[in-house]
Amino acid sequence: SQQGEEDPQALSIQEGENATMNCSYKTSINNLQWYRQNSGRGLVHLILIRSNEREKHSGRLRVTLDTSKKSSSLLITASRAADTASYFCATDAISGAGSYQLTFGKGTKLSVIP
Amino acid sequence: SQTIHQWPATLVQPVGSPLSLECTVEGTSNPNLYWYRQAAGRGLQLLFYSVGIGQISSEVPQNLSASRPQDRQFILSSKKLLLSDSGFYLCAWSHRETYGYTFGSGTRLTVV
Repeated sequence: SQQGEEDPQALSIQEGENATMNCSYKTSINNLQWYRQNSGRGLVHLILIRSNEREKHSGRLRVTLDTSKKSSSLLITASRAADTASYFCATDAISGAGSYQLTFGKGTKLSVIP
Repeated sequence: SQTIHQWPATLVQPVGSPLSLECTVEGTSNPNLYWYRQAAGRGLQLLFYSVGIGQISSEVPQNLSASRPQDRQFILSSKKLLLSDSGFYLCAWSHRETYGYTFGSGTRLTVV
């Protein structure tokens, strides 16, 4: 079942603008992660934010987490054409076997127009 | 450094034929290993995960199976493919301590 749900499903912006993507989830989490996927490729881990953190930065990426609203946002500042990709949020779940699993949303498809 | 290899990159198979996709990890030991499937325009669906050699957990009942014959090798198999098995298959590994997943480059499977 899907835990994270990204919004919007698709986003088209001009190069240089900021892109904001949102993610909502349903159950309590230990951490939330954002991944990027270029068309036809594997996913690349971008950033992880723990449940006791409210904001995290990495280069042009800014992630916020609001555990009371069970939501997160990913902001990409000064977007570039190379940022065109799908972005997924993922939340963790600790199984009885002690393994660690991520549940992914359906993603936001970002198009940055040069 | 750790690397993950997944092959083949693309595969076209007839309905009813067998399947074997292989994933290997280098540069780490005792990783958690995962197989995900991504249908067109959709999110990732966890198929199998493994915490150790011979330990496989299935998330979705289907005609697929997984095996982990070695610590850093994860294989996805089917005896008879269905049309609905078409999709993009992704292998990934993680460690409990670091949390983030590292994905392979994926296999595009088309069942015809």
